[in-house]
Amino acid sequence: AIQLTQSPSSLAASVGDRVTITCRASQGFSFALAWYQQKPGKPPKVLIYDVSTLATGVPSRFSGGGSGADFTLTISGLQPDDFATYYCQHYKNYPYSFGQGTKLEIK
Amino acid sequence: QVQLVESGGGVVQPGRSLRLSCEASGFTFKDYAVHWVRQAPGKGLEWVAVISGDGTYKYAADSATGRFTISRDDSKNTVYLQVTRLTSEDTAVYYCARDRGSYSSFADYWGQGTLVTVSS
Repeated sequence: AIQLTQSPSSLAASVGDRVTITCRASQGFSFALAWYQQKPGKPPKVLIYDVSTLATGVPSRFSGGGSGADFTLTISGLQPDDFATYYCQHYKNYPYSFGQGTKLEIK
Repeated sequence: QVQLVESGGGVVQPGRSLRLSCEASGFTFKDYAVHWVRQAPGKGLEWVAVISGDGTYKYAADSATGRFTISRDDSKNTVYLQVTRLTSEDTAVYYCARDRGSYSSFADYWGQGTLVTVSS
C-alpha cells in the first residue's frame, strides 16, 4: 500500500505569504494525486487533482506539482480564507490513502 | 446542483452493526463511482471504500476488510456502507463523496457527513 507523508504537519504564516506543503509517497507514481482543503466542521473540498490540475472554482493562487514520489501544493499570496487543514490523497491503486494533514495557521 | 446526504449515524454499542446511507441528487447517479471516507474526532481523513458507477467494482481499505460492505441501489440513488463488529476505533464522521467519473479516482463532491459513535 502507498503511504503518504506530509510536511510540515503544521505551519504558521501571514496573509500574503507564499507557502509550500510537501507530500512524499512511499513509492513513486504519476498523475494520481489530489489535494483537499478542510475547514473545521466541514467536509473536504478538492483543490487540485491529477497532480497539477486546478479544480473548478479554485483560485489560481493554488498550484500543484511534483512527480515520482514528491508532490507539492503551493499557495501564492495567502488569503484569510486559506487558513485551514490540507490533505494530499493518492488514487494510484487500492487502497487509496491520505496524508496525515497540514494545519495552516495564521502567524 | 450536486448533493449527497448521509444518514444512519448515531450511538451504537460495541460489537453491533450499522448501515449508513448516502442519497444523491443533482446528477446522473449511475454514471459515477461513490466513495466513503471517515474522520475520527480531531484526526485526519481515512479512505474507507468505493463502488463503481455500474456497481461491478467495489473495494474496501485493508483496515476494513471483512467488516465493511459497500453497495448501491440506483433505483433510489443511494449508496450504502454496512459496518459490522463495531469498535470504539470506528467512532468517526463518515462522509460519502462522488467520484469524478464512473470508475474511481478522486472525489469532487462531498456530503456533510454522519457521526457514528461507538459506545456502551
